[in-house]
Amino acid sequence: GQQVMQIPQYQHVQEGEDFTTYCNSSTTLSNIQWYKQRPGGHPVFLIQLVKSGEVKKQKRLTFQFGEAKKNSSLHITATQTTDVGTYFCAWGAQKLVFGQGTRLTINP
Amino acid sequence: SAVISQKPSRDICQRGTSLTIQCQVDSQVTMMFWYRQQPGQSLTLIATANQGSEATYESGFVIDKFPISRPNLTFSTLTVSNMSPEDSSIYLCSVASGPGEQYFGPGTRLTVT
Repeated sequence: GQQVMQIPQYQHVQEGEDFTTYCNSSTTLSNIQWYKQRPGGHPVFLIQLVKSGEVKKQKRLTFQFGEAKKNSSLHITATQTTDVGTYFCAWGAQKLVFGQGTRLTINP
Repeated sequence: SAVISQKPSRDICQRGTSLTIQCQVDSQVTMMFWYRQQPGQSLTLIATANQGSEATYESGFVIDKFPISRPNLTFSTLTVSNMSPEDSSIYLCSVASGPGEQYFGPGTRLTVT
């Protein structure tokens, strides 16, 4: 069956450093979404990628979908304390399957 | 985007009892979903709540344990039945805004003692 791994599980950075989380699938994905969950909060939709090789930016966040649509990444440039939380990739048309998440903590 | 509320926001329950969680959306939606998030873990889909028909359960989840109601296009309930400590989790409802994109309620934090 389909297996998707999200790495790393945890990442601790100094404020101002960059951060990247990856999702890698054993099979082709039709789409991929990214969500952010602040501590004590609920997942909040960030973006959806559907095209091979797609790159989207939201301010300091850059999202990529691989050419083979088997991997995706979320990169944050110059992290700020407001970026703290867990970042999940997810896939599916309506019923979503979530990756394991990457928990980001930041040293101010 | 949809505005979603859940009740209760948290509860502490004794084992063997049941809890019904309510999810209210500010607009009519076709599909509503219920997820479980165990402590420190990712989200797992429990079931899809369909208006006018039985809910569709994912592997590992059964109707007897998690009965769901969907009386109209803005409301759904999830009941966690005969609870055990292993049911301690955050339960989240969500709605689909478009293909893939989903909005989540604030969640119900359940602790079973």
